[in-house]
Amino acid sequence: QQQVKQSPQSLIVQKGGISIINCAYENTAFDYFPWYQQFPGKGPALLIAIRPDVSEKKEGRFTISFNKSAKQFSLHIMDSQPGDSATYFCAASMQEGAQKLVFGQGTRLTINP
Amino acid sequence: DADVTQTPRNRITKTGKRIMLECSQTKGHDRMYWYRQDPGLGLRLIYYSFDVKDINKGEISDGYSVSRQAQAKFSLSLESAIPNQTALYFCATSELLAGYNEQFFGPGTRLTVL
Repeated sequence: QQQVKQSPQSLIVQKGGISIINCAYENTAFDYFPWYQQFPGKGPALLIAIRPDVSEKKEGRFTISFNKSAKQFSLHIMDSQPGDSATYFCAASMQEGAQKLVFGQGTRLTINP
Repeated sequence: DADVTQTPRNRITKTGKRIMLECSQTKGHDRMYWYRQDPGLGLRLIYYSFDVKDINKGEISDGYSVSRQAQAKFSLSLESAIPNQTALYFCATSELLAGYNEQFFGPGTRLTVL
C-alpha cells in the first residue's frame, strides 16, 4: 500500500515556466513533508521541507504548498531552468516513533532550453 | 556525497550468489538506512538502524539481512540473490535535528542479478 502518492510520473516544462509536482498522503499522523532532488548517478538530497503548521514555504525559486484538510502538498518550481532537470521525490514522516520517511514514486522533470 | 560512501558502485551477479553491499559514513550520525529504488516505485526502506545494537526491518526486508559493524558502517547482504532484486540501492544516514529526520544519501550501488 502506497501511503504517499506522487504525480505526474514525468513532466516536461519549457525554460522559464512553472513546474508543479503533486503528492497526496493517507496517514494524518504525518507531520513532516520533505522534497528530495536526485540527479543522475547521485543519491537524493534534501531540497526543501514543510511542517503542517504552515500552508506554504518558499526557498528561492522552490515553494511547497500544503493543504492539510485535503492531505495534499505540492512542489512549485518557478522560472524553471535546465539545471533543475532531475528526479524529485516527495516524502512524509512522523516526529513520534521511528521517524521513518515514506517516499512517493518520484517525478522525472525535464526542463527544455 | 563524500560523507556517505557505498561500495561497490556497480555489481553484476548471478542468481543464487551471496552479495554484500557496504556503506560507510563520516558524518558521525547514529541512524543509518538501506533503501532500494525501482522505477515507478520510488525509494522503499529495507532496514534501518538507530545504533549498533538497534536494527529494524523496513517495509521490504524479505531476502535481505544487515549488519551494523560500527557506528560508521552498515552492510546489506543478499543471502541468495534473485533477478527481482535488480535495483539501485542507497544507504542513508541521519541525526535527530529539531525533531525532524533529514537523511543524507550515498551515491548508490547499481545491482544487476542475472
